Amino acid sequence: EIVLTQSPATLSLSPGERATLSCRASQRVGSYLGWYQQKPGQAPRLLIYDAFNRATGIPARFSGSGSGTDFTLTISSLETEDFAVYYCQQRANWPITFGQGTRLEIK
Amino acid sequence: QITLKESGPTLVKPAQTLTLTCTFSGFSLTTNGVGVGWIRQPPGKALEWLATIYWNEDKHYSPSLNSGLTITKDTSKNQVVLTMTNVDSVDTATYYCAHRLTYSGGWYFDYWGQGTLVTVSS
Repeated sequence: EIVLTQSPATLSLSPGERATLSCRASQRVGSYLGWYQQKPGQAPRLLIYDAFNRATGIPARFSGSGSGTDFTLTISSLETEDFAVYYCQQRANWPITFGQGTRLEIK
Repeated sequence: QITLKESGPTLVKPAQTLTLTCTFSGFSLTTNGVGVGWIRQPPGKALEWLATIYWNEDKHYSPSLNSGLTITKDTSKNQVVLTMTNVDSVDTATYYCAHRLTYSGGWYFDYWGQGTLVTVSS
């Protein structure tokens, strides 16, 4: 099973700042990694698939990068609605696995 | 417009069997490439993938729960059913069903149900 480790666990930033979230895989996953956003009481929302492709309707301030074992989700300029928990997910090998999440909170 | 909605019991006793139903609209599980998955989330914890089913009946299960899980589809009713046997308190979670992102080569989930909270307790 591929283990995804996200860092940091919590990130405290202010609106307008740039956010950089990391996800490291225990084995190479190529580009087969996605990112989700989850707000309290809501289902997750797909942001990025296959490392850098934005899902339908996702604002351009969200971008993904990386390949192999190290991946990054960048939010270029934080809006208040971006403060949430973010999860990475790999689809390279069964079983599908998720990271433990990064909480992005308002500073 | 794609929608999914989970239904099932809110409270289950330990050792019982949990049956959850995902009723969806806006797509068909007879269409090439379409799939539905189940993901759960214990309170305050991370997401955990459980099982997926493709339009062609291909199925995959979480190895940590494999022996206790069964996923099936009823295309006439637009439903996917997840059965989990011998539940325990650790299975207390919000259970989501979700639609596979069709235009990727594998499994990501682009539409999700609202989730249903299941508590396992005597």
